[in-house]
Amino acid sequence: DAKTTQPPSMDCAEGRAANLPCNHSTISGNEYVYWYRQIHSQGPQYIIHGLKNNETNEMASLIITEDRKSSTLILPHATLRDTAVYYCIVHRSLRGSARQLTFGSGTQLTVLP
Amino acid sequence: GAVVSQHPSWVICKSGTSVKIECRSLDFQATTMFWYRQFPKQSLMLMATSNEGSKATYEQGVEKDKFLINHASLTLSTLTVTSAHPEDSSFYICSARVWQANTGELFFGEGSRLTVL
Repeated sequence: DAKTTQPPSMDCAEGRAANLPCNHSTISGNEYVYWYRQIHSQGPQYIIHGLKNNETNEMASLIITEDRKSSTLILPHATLRDTAVYYCIVHRSLRGSARQLTFGSGTQLTVLP
Repeated sequence: GAVVSQHPSWVICKSGTSVKIECRSLDFQATTMFWYRQFPKQSLMLMATSNEGSKATYEQGVEKDKFLINHASLTLSTLTVTSAHPEDSSFYICSARVWQANTGELFFGEGSRLTVL
């Protein structure tokens, strides 16, 4: 799996957009970008994933650069409950595979009141 | 999304005893489940892959005789920490894959915090 690089920590003001970057310069053509988050003392929560196109769901938006070497997770209106460690993971399709996700260090996002 | 439930959410036991943690997929069938361990301020580390009806596959460095995994049905996998010691105190998390139309996202349980005295 391609390696990802994320800043160890970020702060964001409540109500503002939180933009979490991720570099994955060695990503392969068949690898997806997954984002999960882990609130303290809970299991990871799936947020969003994408291959080439930008994606949006009820939780967040995922912007992937044209060369796919980096991406940004956007939480449009951060709340205190969004404080968590955010993991960017690059992995080929999990469908049809017994492989699983490998978690890096992630970014600790702290939403400030 | 799909629901994966773990039980117990926390457990305290004496050194030398065994502890069983259950992982259930509540609204889907999971032929494969994964067990992770997470120490304080560290990331999740995969321990083993649990396969329904067959032996689990353990990651390098994980003792299969100490961490017994049973996946007897399509909705239940159990992890038993045998002869637990204080160094086994950790946050144990299971996950299961949902075979959706595209990529099959992983969903995680709430985690089980084990404290060995």
